[in-house]
Amino acid sequence: DTEVTQTPKHLVMGMTNKKSLKCEQHMGHRAMYWYKQKAKKPPELMFVYSYEKLSINESVPSRFSPECPNSSLLNLHLHALQPEDSALYLCASSQEWNLYGYTFGSGTRLTVV
Amino acid sequence: DQQVKQNSPSLSVQEGRISILNCDYTNSMFDYFLWYKKYPAEGPTFLISISSIKDKNEDGRFTVFLNKSAKHLSLHIVPSQPGDSAVYFCAATPPANAGGTSYGKLTFGQGTILTVHP
Repeated sequence: DTEVTQTPKHLVMGMTNKKSLKCEQHMGHRAMYWYKQKAKKPPELMFVYSYEKLSINESVPSRFSPECPNSSLLNLHLHALQPEDSALYLCASSQEWNLYGYTFGSGTRLTVV
Repeated sequence: DQQVKQNSPSLSVQEGRISILNCDYTNSMFDYFLWYKKYPAEGPTFLISISSIKDKNEDGRFTVFLNKSAKHLSLHIVPSQPGDSAVYFCAATPPANAGGTSYGKLTFGQGTILTVHP
């Protein structure tokens, strides 16, 4: 298995909703990432988990809450989002130390209404 | 401050010819570089990477060249095929072991739209 699987592929949520994005990999990668990509822009790093511990938070607003329940799963909990948070949310994973196989999932297209 | 730059927003090439995509970086701490191909509404697909200890890496039709002194890298696709048409992103990261960490923080360029005409 050489994939990063993200669910759901599409999500529409209201500004008062609570939802979660899920990411799963079974490549044994111990580093997992959340990136955000707006239209016609490059992906931007949000969070990094290393060995299930949050290592980097790139000054992301608290309405985004990451969670890493185990070495294969990464969640992104969403609450009270704004329309400007609409974007493609990408999960990635990599082998530790040598970054071999830095692999992205297909993303969740999020629309906040 | 854009640390990774792809100065050509688009490139058009005839099928069978060479495609050359360029990328420049400013951060001297970057030492691992990756190229990704991306279709709309999909995640980036890894193509090829290169470590700063090398100046060339080849994988099939794809070759990446790194010029550390110029802080420049390029992706060559030979021969180009219509299926190569996509957005190509260059990305860079400091060493995975910088500061005792084991992960990579990718900084992406703005992307180049490659169109390969039959």
